[in-house]
Amino acid sequence: DGGITQSPKYLFRKEGQNVTLSCEQNLNHDAMYWYRQDPGQGLRLIYYSQIVNDFQKGDIAEGYSVSREKKESFPLTVTSAQKNPTAFYLCASSIGSGSSYEQYFGPGTRLTVT
Amino acid sequence: AQKVTQAQTEISVVEKEDVTLDCVYETRDTTYYLFWYKQPPSGELVFLIRRNSFDEQNEISGRYSWNFQKSTSSFNFTITASQVVDSAVYFCALSENNFNKFYFGSGTKLNVKP
Repeated sequence: DGGITQSPKYLFRKEGQNVTLSCEQNLNHDAMYWYRQDPGQGLRLIYYSQIVNDFQKGDIAEGYSVSREKKESFPLTVTSAQKNPTAFYLCASSIGSGSSYEQYFGPGTRLTVT
Repeated sequence: AQKVTQAQTEISVVEKEDVTLDCVYETRDTTYYLFWYKQPPSGELVFLIRRNSFDEQNEISGRYSWNFQKSTSSFNFTITASQVVDSAVYFCALSENNFNKFYFGSGTKLNVKP
């Protein structure tokens, strides 16, 4: 079945450690996105990629990094520079990057940093 | 300023009641798209509907209906005869500028009690 997978579902890290969240899609979508969701809030865009080997910062990119070496993969690294990394992280993809395309979301990774 | 406002933080209804979730947006573009997503307790956002700015026809899909009014910049979502399975957080989103960057509202949590 086509879809987006994110692993793991829950992730625990100690403060000061970098951690990488996985996102894979087999929908053959060109565009991919990373969002952060905090309790009681909407989603905020961290990074997005319109095509392989290209990505741009979203609204809250500080303390995060990404890569897009393959069309189906868009991993997100939460670095130690991110001041408040504990959150729910959602990966999404869309067929293209035009404004008409709906985004499809993965199941999310809940990161807890202590 | 918020581009998408969902003023209702949380709504509780009893099963079989009708409920309307409000969404007000702000944009200067003439071409834009509006979306509704459902986020059940599992966390994954589920796409419900997309509407472009040139189509003000109301849409009905089973128990779901959407009312788009450009004059009031609103895109409200009504669930008729609500069911317990409708309990979730519902997000309204806007994309504009010919690019697929979504502006999400803060969400409305719907509790449907048996």
